[in-house]
Amino acid sequence: QQQVKQSPQSLIVQKGGISIINCAYENTAFDYFPWYQQFPGKGPALLIAIRPDVSEKKEGRFTISFNKSAKQFSLHIMDSQPGDSATYFCAASKMGGNQFYFGTGTSLTVIP
Amino acid sequence: EPEVTQTPSHQVTQMGQEVILRCVPISNHLYFYWYRQILGQKVEFLVSFYNNEISEKSEIFDDQFSVERPDGSNFTLKIRSTKLEDSAMYFCASVRGDNQPQHFGDGTRLSIL
Repeated sequence: QQQVKQSPQSLIVQKGGISIINCAYENTAFDYFPWYQQFPGKGPALLIAIRPDVSEKKEGRFTISFNKSAKQFSLHIMDSQPGDSATYFCAASKMGGNQFYFGTGTSLTVIP
Repeated sequence: EPEVTQTPSHQVTQMGQEVILRCVPISNHLYFYWYRQILGQKVEFLVSFYNNEISEKSEIFDDQFSVERPDGSNFTLKIRSTKLEDSAMYFCASVRGDNQPQHFGDGTRLSIL
C-alpha cells in the first residue's frame, strides 16, 4: 500500500526555471511532511519540512505548498541550478509515530 | 554539525552468511531507524527502536533481521542468513524527538554474492 504518492518520476528543467514536485497522501493522521534531497552515494538529507497548520513554507529558493483539504503537498525550487540535480523524496509521519513513509522519489536534472 | 555515521561503507558477503551493519546515531537522539533502498528505488522503512526496544517494524523486517544497541552509542542491524535480494543500500537514521526531522547516515552498500 503506497501511503505517499509522488510525481513525476523524473524532471528536466532549464537553469533558472522552476522545478515542481508533487506528493499526495491518504492518511489524515499524518501531520509532518518533510522533503529530502539525495545525491548519489549519499543518504537523504532534510531539505525543508512543513506541518499542516500552515499552507506554505519558504526557505531560500525552496517552498513547500500544502493543501490539507486535497491531501497534497508540493516542493517548488525557484531559480533551479545545476547543483540542484538530485533525487528528491517527500515523506510523511504522524504525531507520536515512528515511521516515516517515503514517496517513490523524483530524479531532477537541471540543464545549463 | 553532528552527524550519523555508518560503517562499513560497502560490505560484500556470500549468500547465507551473517552480516552486521553498524551505525553511530547523533548523541542526544532518542529514536533510531533502519531503512533500505534497493538501487534506483524508494527508501523503505525496516524498523524503529526506542528505549532499548523495537517500537515498529515493517513486513520486510522478518526473523532474519535483528537490531541491537549494545552500548550507549552504537546501533546495529544484523541479517542472520543473507539472501541475494538483501542487496541494497542500508541507511541508519536518528531523531531527537517526536515529529523532529530524521538525520540519515550515508549508508552501507550491501552486496550479496
